[in-house]
Amino acid sequence: QSVLTQPPSASGTPGQRITISCSGSSANIESNYVFWYQQLPGTAPKLLIYRNSQRPSGVPDRFSGSKSGTSASLAISGLRSEDEARYYCATWDNILSGGVFGGGTQLTVL
Amino acid sequence: QLQLQESGPGLVKPSETLSLTCAVSGGSISNTDHYWGWIRQPPGKGLEWIGSVSYSGTTYYSPSLKSRVTISADTSRNRISLRLTSVTAADTALYYCASAQNFLLNLDRWGQGTLVTVSS
Repeated sequence: QSVLTQPPSASGTPGQRITISCSGSSANIESNYVFWYQQLPGTAPKLLIYRNSQRPSGVPDRFSGSKSGTSASLAISGLRSEDEARYYCATWDNILSGGVFGGGTQLTVL
Repeated sequence: QLQLQESGPGLVKPSETLSLTCAVSGGSISNTDHYWGWIRQPPGKGLEWIGSVSYSGTTYYSPSLKSRVTISADTSRNRISLRLTSVTAADTALYYCASAQNFLLNLDRWGQGTLVTVSS
């Protein structure tokens, strides 16, 4: 059981905007940067968002991240079939003194 | 462009030690703004951060694995190593190495991963 809580699944139709939440605490999300990863089937995870809301070079601006208090969110606009993947949030936990990942959210594009 | 490649035995017996290496090419592991981490993923499950090592050799470990794990950096061979002792079936997973810039969880380059099965 992770200290970061994500919904196990999410879904949307092409063109739609969806958000994936990541809930934590003052020991992790509230006091540290949040990172988001996309894992396509059978591949290694890929960094999608760093430092709460920054996009690495090459990541489309359809992907955006935000943080407020003890929660963070990943938003995907203009949903495409190739966005179907598992998404993970990650951050540092000051109490555990270690990195933590959320349980992951499987996104289905209907 | 930085590339990482994990290698090691695909099968380890219970109670023995799991040893993996991560060969880094396209850059030096002595880069001062990089950390080098190990992450694992049990079959069909989520990601688990194992730990990281900095360019200077400072290590950071998951508290749940700290008593069994050692991560080290070999600058002469430009590679990172992972040792996990006293393994059980629960350690069966796909093991990834990854590089991080400036922040331990800013994992911007990943290897393809190597599957390790713990079984007698």
